[in-house]
Amino acid sequence: DIQMTQSPSSLSASVGDRVTITCRASQGIRNDLAWYQQKSGKAPKGLIYAASSLQSGVPPRFSGSGSGTEFTLTISSLQPEDFATYYCLQHNSYPLTFGGGTKVEIK
Amino acid sequence: QVQLVQSGAEVRKPGASVKVSCKASGYIFTTHYIHWVRQAPGQDLEWMAIINPSSGSTTYAQKFQGRITVTSDTSTSTVSMELRSLRSGDTAVYFCAREVSGPGLDSWGQGSLVTVSS
Repeated sequence: DIQMTQSPSSLSASVGDRVTITCRASQGIRNDLAWYQQKSGKAPKGLIYAASSLQSGVPPRFSGSGSGTEFTLTISSLQPEDFATYYCLQHNSYPLTFGGGTKVEIK
Repeated sequence: QVQLVQSGAEVRKPGASVKVSCKASGYIFTTHYIHWVRQAPGQDLEWMAIINPSSGSTTYAQKFQGRITVTSDTSTSTVSMELRSLRSGDTAVYFCAREVSGPGLDSWGQGSLVTVSS
């Protein structure tokens, strides 16, 4: 199985801050990586697919980069509605595997 | 619009089985794979299975092999996930999600809470 190591596990930030979250794959997964946002008790919402493509309707302050084993999700200017938990997901091979999540909290 | 509507919360005793359904609407049911993902309380997301609703072909996570069966009913546009020999660690919210080539898992059900308790 491909292990996805996500960091940090949590962070505190202020509105307007730039936030960066990283996922590292245990083996190369090309760009078969997506990022999701989850708010408490709700279904995840897709933000980024194919490592760097923005899902329809997602604000452009979200961006993704990377390929192979190292991937990054960046929020350029954190907004109040962005406080949530973020997960990466690799879909290069079965079983699909999620990162451990990053909880973004208000400083 | 695309909707995945899941069945309601269930409570089961250890050793029992549960079947969760996911009814799709707003698109051609047979053209998109459906995944099952679960999330235990306070825990991370865990992928369980995928089904091709057209052929019924499935792939399961090794962890659930032998305990899980995912089926599709094209007459009702419904995918069902049965998990057997339940234990307390199976207490979780179970989600179905539609896969779209490219964007990936683009639409999710609302989740179904399964509680396993004696």
